[in-house]
Parts: sequence; C-alpha cells; structure tokens
Amino acid sequence: DQQVKQNSPSLSVQEGRISILNCDYTNSMFDYFLWYKKYPAEGPTFLISISSIKDKNEDGRFTVFLNKSAKHLSLHIVPSQPGDSAVYFCAATPFGNEKLTFGTGTRLTIIP
Amino acid sequence: DVKVTQSSRYLVKRTGEKVFLECVQDMDHENMFWYRQDPGLGLRLIYFSYDVKMKEKGDIPEGYSVSREKKERFSLILESASTNQTSMYLCASSLPWGFDLNSPLHFGNGTRLTVT
Repeated sequence: DQQVKQNSPSLSVQEGRISILNCDYTNSMFDYFLWYKKYPAEGPTFLISISSIKDKNEDGRFTVFLNKSAKHLSLHIVPSQPGDSAVYFCAATPFGNEKLTFGTGTRLTIIP
Repeated sequence: DVKVTQSSRYLVKRTGEKVFLECVQDMDHENMFWYRQDPGLGLRLIYFSYDVKMKEKGDIPEGYSVSREKKERFSLILESASTNQTSMYLCASSLPWGFDLNSPLHFGNGTRLTVT
C-alpha cells in the first residue's frame, strides 16, 4: 500500500526552464512533508520541507507547494540547472513522528 | 557536518549466509534508521532505533534484525540472506523530533548488497 506516490518515474527539462515534480499522498495523518535529492552512489540529502499549516515554502530556486484538500504537493525548481539532475524523493510523516514514508522517486534530467 | 558512514559500498553474499551491515554516525544522534531502496518502490523503512538497545519495526522487517549496543552504531542483520534481499541499503540518523526540522534525516552513501 503506497501511501506516498510519485507518478512520474522520470522527467526531462531544458536548462533554464521550470521543473515541476509532483507527489500525492493518501494518509490524512501526514502533516509534514519533505523533499530529498539523491545523486548516484550517494545517500539522499534534504532539500526543503513544508508543514500543513502552510501552503508554500521557498528556498532560493526551490519552492514547495502543498494542497491539503487534494493531498498533493509539488516541487518547483526555477531556473533548472544541470546540477539538478538527480532522483527526487518526496516524504511525509505525521507531525512529531521521526519515521518518514517515502515516495517512489522521480528521476529529473536537465538537458543543457 | 554530520557524517553517517556505512562500512561497505558493495557486498556480494550467497543465499543462506548471515550478513551484517554496519553503520556509524558521528553526531551523537538519538535516532537511527535502516531503509532499503528498490526501483519503483522508493525507500522503505526496515527498522528504527530511538535509543541504545531500543528498536521498532518499520514497514518491511521480515527477514531482518538489528542491533544497537552503542549510540553511534546501528547494525542490520540478515539472518539467512535470500535473493529478494538484493537491494541498496541506506542507513540514516537524526535528532529527536523538533530539534532539527530543517534537516531531519542524514543518510549514509548506501551499501549495494547482491545475494546470489
């Protein structure tokens, strides 16, 4: 039972354009959401997070949007750069719970 | 800078062998985790430890056990390795909830285990 889903296994975007990665969840107890980025042969690294009291959080080129009624979040990267090519995982948890539930991942390729 | 070190990058074992995967963190974190990463399935939690000698099952604990005798070290044990345990294994550590919401999990670089 996949509680966190990333329906696009891969995405290719031209350098300089916007990359939009999507994530859906089914568990209504989730109220803290995170994005991690993973390069080959490395562990995932934290990118950005959002709690359910907000609908948007920005950090430089990265913005995460949360739509609680639709149980949907998205990560926007603007402008996309070649170094953004990686696998992106979204993750979710109830507030106060250290155990994260991860999605299946989306491989983002930025085309120079 | 937090460092989570997994002792092996690549491991090849035979079916039925007992396998130990070791993980050490240097930031005095209370929490430690073992995840496995498989194509199309993402990262799935195997076991979680919130203190020395304390452990909780994750989503897929069958066929695995863990040991945490010291705060900095968390071992994953495959009692009798099987081919369906071929995977990338990722160890992670964190502070208790609320202490570091900006970087909740710190991962090691993973151990790719092949069971033949």
